Amino acid sequence: ELKVEQNPLFLSMQEGKNYTIYCNYSTTSDRLYWYRQDPGKSLESLFVLLSNGAVKQEGRLMASLDTKARLSTLHITAAVHDLSATYFCAVLTGTASKLTFGTGTRLQVTL
Amino acid sequence: NAGVTQTPKFRILKIGQSMTLQCAQDMNHNYMYWYRQDPGMGLKLIYYSVGAGITDKGEVPNGYNVSRSTTEYFPLRLELAAPSQTSVYFCASTPGQGALYSNQPQHFGDGTRLSIL
Repeated sequence: ELKVEQNPLFLSMQEGKNYTIYCNYSTTSDRLYWYRQDPGKSLESLFVLLSNGAVKQEGRLMASLDTKARLSTLHITAAVHDLSATYFCAVLTGTASKLTFGTGTRLQVTL
Repeated sequence: NAGVTQTPKFRILKIGQSMTLQCAQDMNHNYMYWYRQDPGMGLKLIYYSVGAGITDKGEVPNGYNVSRSTTEYFPLRLELAAPSQTSVYFCASTPGQGALYSNQPQHFGDGTRLSIL
């Protein structure tokens, strides 16, 4: 059974600081997704990482994938309050494009 | 373009009642999914479908049923509601599998918040 672990589970950071969220998974997969969820809202797709060594950037967020280490990172640069949300990684699992989600990292950016 | 539409947005049920959560997508996606999200947790897959007439169980299917008679609709049925089914339910869709769709994420609806008392 595939397990997906994120850490930290909760992150409080000041505006302007940098930080990294980690996503580890237990079995082989070559595709990983990052989503953002605002409180009481749906999930918004941020990144689709397709292969080993993939790196994608959008604004202050950069995601990378190391399939050999079974590790993805979501790096936040110079955080701003608008980035406050819960971030989920999800790993492609088996057939039918099924996803296994991590438990999420709740990010709180303070002034 | 509406994307994935879920109804109702909120519902309170009594123990033992039944209901159907509706999900529709207008993107002509072949693959559709139902997840539940418990407070402070990630999403768990309940059922999924790879096309009209084809459904299969996910990680937590007990207490639920699905059907998929058309590409657009994928309703989730709760029979004999129990307090443990209090959750937020999300429907999602994606075009399909293979290299042609490899860059496509799953697209999510706004969710149905269900309380069972």
